[in-house]
Amino acid sequence: DIQMTQSPSSLSASVGDRVTITCRASQSINSYVNWYQQKPGKGPKLLIYAASSLQSGVPSRFSGSGSGTDFTLTISSLQPEDFATYYCQQSYSTSYTFGQGTNLAIK
Amino acid sequence: EVQLLESGGGLVQPGGSLSLSCAASEFIFSDYGMNWVRQAPGKGLEWVSTISGSGGTTYYADSVKGRFTISRDNSKSTLFLQMNSLRAEDTAVYYCAKRNYQLLSGYYYYYMDAWGKGTTVTVSS
Repeated sequence: DIQMTQSPSSLSASVGDRVTITCRASQSINSYVNWYQQKPGKGPKLLIYAASSLQSGVPSRFSGSGSGTDFTLTISSLQPEDFATYYCQQSYSTSYTFGQGTNLAIK
Repeated sequence: EVQLLESGGGLVQPGGSLSLSCAASEFIFSDYGMNWVRQAPGKGLEWVSTISGSGGTTYYADSVKGRFTISRDNSKSTLFLQMNSLRAEDTAVYYCAKRNYQLLSGYYYYYMDAWGKGTTVTVSS
């Protein structure tokens, strides 16, 4: 299986900060990466698909980049509602795998 | 707005069986593949299984292969997960998720663009 390694596993930041989360795949996966946000007690929400395409309705402060093995999710200016856990996921293989998650907390 | 509502979770003994359902609405169910994804208590997301829109193609994680069966009834817009030989490590919240795709530069990119609220499965004696 393709392993997805996220870093950092946790992060503290303030409202207005620029934040970057990275995800590394164990093999080249082109641009087959999606990013999700999950808040406690809720199902995940799609933010970014195909590495850099913004899902409809998602604020433009979220952006994704990368190709091959290295990918990033950037939040340009943190808002109070952005404090959550974020996951990357590969869809290159039919056996999907997720990163371990990044918990974004208020500083 | 797409709605996905899981049901069927509960407490079951190790070695037992359980059947989950996911009722879908506000989209043409048969046009889309569907997934089951689970989350153990305090842990991350784990993909479990995928089924194509027609139901003719299925995929499973190695951790559940041979024990779980995904299926769907397109006439009732409902997704199922039959879980047999359950183990303690199957304890989790189980989510159903709609699979969507985009054709970009000649390649199909799949993603999960709608999720349910989840149903809790606890395997314990």
